[in-house]
Amino acid sequence: QVQLQESGPGLVKPSGTLSLTCAVSGGSISSSDWWSWVRQPPGKGLEWIGEIYHSGTTNYNPSLKSRVTMSVDKSKNQFSLRLNSVTAADTAVYYCSREMTSVTGNPNDFWGQGTLVTVSS
Amino acid sequence: DIQMTQSPSSLSASVGDRVTITCRASQSISTLLSWFQQKRGKAPKLLIYGASSLQSGVPSRFSGSGSGTDFTLTISSLQPEDFAIYYCQQSYSAPRTFGGGTTVEIK
Repeated sequence: QVQLQESGPGLVKPSGTLSLTCAVSGGSISSSDWWSWVRQPPGKGLEWIGEIYHSGTTNYNPSLKSRVTMSVDKSKNQFSLRLNSVTAADTAVYYCSREMTSVTGNPNDFWGQGTLVTVSS
Repeated sequence: DIQMTQSPSSLSASVGDRVTITCRASQSISTLLSWFQQKRGKAPKLLIYGASSLQSGVPSRFSGSGSGTDFTLTISSLQPEDFAIYYCQQSYSAPRTFGGGTTVEIK
């Protein structure tokens, strides 16, 4: 079964860039599935950040689009998230997830455990 | 963006109770609706997709229904392990918006 693992700095300074990587195991990032990032501020709900296909095609949340970049590294079977010009409002647990394309609606079936990123000086 | 509104935001129930959570979309999303369960400190877990299809491995006491703008998640007989936060999410169009969540607490 597919497993995802987020990694990256847990602390980022304000105005800096948040960079996270999601390593995929048990499946190929070059499959027909999409791969996405979701975040959750402490004590709050879930926010979809965006999604990427192995071809590099992306869809971003318009609320973050000007600051977000996602990429895929097929050789390492992983995908990444960069969020620049961060503020305290970007403090959240960040999850990577697979969007299963084999069923209607491409639901997010597999998730990483999540990683807390705190924006603070 | 499509807005997803869940109700109630929280509820208290006892083991064995039948629990119903609703989710309303701001526009028609056909049946492109998923339900997730999230426990404290854990990632969301997919329960239902396509509004009514049960994800593999999920107990049959969970069921989903609805189409268009109105959807329901039902737990037929609440179990101790079901106390959690439940979220709906639409996948009709980007951004894939979530509902605000429903906390199911022990009565």
